[in-house]
Amino acid sequence: QVQLVESGGGLVKPGGSLRLSCAASGFTFSDYYMSWIRQAPGKGLEWVSYISSSGSTIYYADSVKGRFTISRDNAKNSLYLQMNSLRAEDTAVYYCARWSDYWDYWGQGTLVTVSS
Amino acid sequence: EIVMTQSPATLSVSPGERATLSCRASQSVSSNLAWYQQKPGQAPRLLIYGASTRATGIPARFSGSGSGTEFTLTISSLQSEDFAVYYCQQYNNWPLITFGQGTRLEIK
Repeated sequence: QVQLVESGGGLVKPGGSLRLSCAASGFTFSDYYMSWIRQAPGKGLEWVSYISSSGSTIYYADSVKGRFTISRDNAKNSLYLQMNSLRAEDTAVYYCARWSDYWDYWGQGTLVTVSS
Repeated sequence: EIVMTQSPATLSVSPGERATLSCRASQSVSSNLAWYQQKPGQAPRLLIYGASTRATGIPARFSGSGSGTEFTLTISSLQSEDFAVYYCQQYNNWPLITFGQGTRLEIK
């Protein structure tokens, strides 16, 4: 069965960096676009970034453009999100999700807290 | 940006009754609309895509309808496990995907 498992969240100070990982299994990872989506505490859902199956096409939400970098390693069935210059408003649960014109499978999420 | 507006914000319904949730788009999204269910502490789960197609494993009591700018998610006979927050999401304007703000379905 499809499984997505995020890791790497934690507490970081404003201006700091963090790298999230997502380990995928149960499907041919290299066939799918993948995404990061976040949810601030008590708030709704916001897409953060997409990456194409080969990694050649990438999109970012304006709120993270220039600070976050999405990448993938198809040989390791893994998705990454490098987050730099973190701000308090980046505090959220970050989900990785498989994109199939909609997000059909989601990980359980990893919490990122940006606070001094 | 396409703005998705869900109503009501909170819906109180008794178990066994029908629930009707609405989602409106600020411009046409054709049938490129999905619905998700999210329970506390869990990731969202895909319920409906293409406005009316149930995702794998979703019970038949969940149904979606609509096209263009007006959409509805109907739960025909509420079970205890259905009380959750529901989000609509348009993917017509990919990659600028937008979600509604959510409808909280609570037990009356």
